[in-house]
Amino acid sequence: AQKVTQAQTEISVVEKEDVTLDCVYETRDTTYYLFWYKQPPSGELVFLIRRNSFDEQNEISGRYSWNFQKSTSSFNFTITASQVVDSAVYFCALSEHSGNTPLVFGKGTRLSVIA
Amino acid sequence: EAEVAQSPRYKITEKSQAVAFWCDPISGHATLYWYRQILGQGPELLVQFQDESVVDDSQLPKDRFSAERLKGVDSTLKIQPAELGDSAMYLCASTGGTGLAGVTGELFFGEGSRLTVL
Repeated sequence: AQKVTQAQTEISVVEKEDVTLDCVYETRDTTYYLFWYKQPPSGELVFLIRRNSFDEQNEISGRYSWNFQKSTSSFNFTITASQVVDSAVYFCALSEHSGNTPLVFGKGTRLSVIA
Repeated sequence: EAEVAQSPRYKITEKSQAVAFWCDPISGHATLYWYRQILGQGPELLVQFQDESVVDDSQLPKDRFSAERLKGVDSTLKIQPAELGDSAMYLCASTGGTGLAGVTGELFFGEGSRLTVL
């Protein structure tokens, strides 16, 4: 069965600090997809990134970067030079290749960036 | 602004009453999902539609919940009767891919319908 664990429930940082959100996943499939979503106070889940299990290259998008390590089943998310607008709940999610399964989400990490 | 439309944004009801939520996905998206998000938790799937057909409703409490997508476009999620434990955010999402692509691609979420049962 697939499972996503986000051990950090809440994180507070001061603006301009770097912050890393951890995500550990479990799956028996060799083909799977990992996602990060942002949920601001408005409630809408905003897609940030999708990564398939065969692509272990790290990705950078502006202040955001992702570190995918199959050896440790982790898909961590780093925000560089955090800003107040980054304050939100961030969810890591997993979709297995087999059975046309939908996304399974972690419990989320609430990030507060203080000015 | 989200392109997946949901209504109402907020609903307060008393237990034992019936409630209904509506979702209009992005035009052309064949796959539609209803998720429930309890406060402090991640979203959990309730039901998945492919066009008008239910693909997965294994986590839907069928004694009180029902969902339909009659014409394969918009969808309604109903709860009757509502219980205190149903208080949550109900999120609708859609994606444009079919089959495997439908679950590996980006899901577009609406802003959700927040239910409070008193």
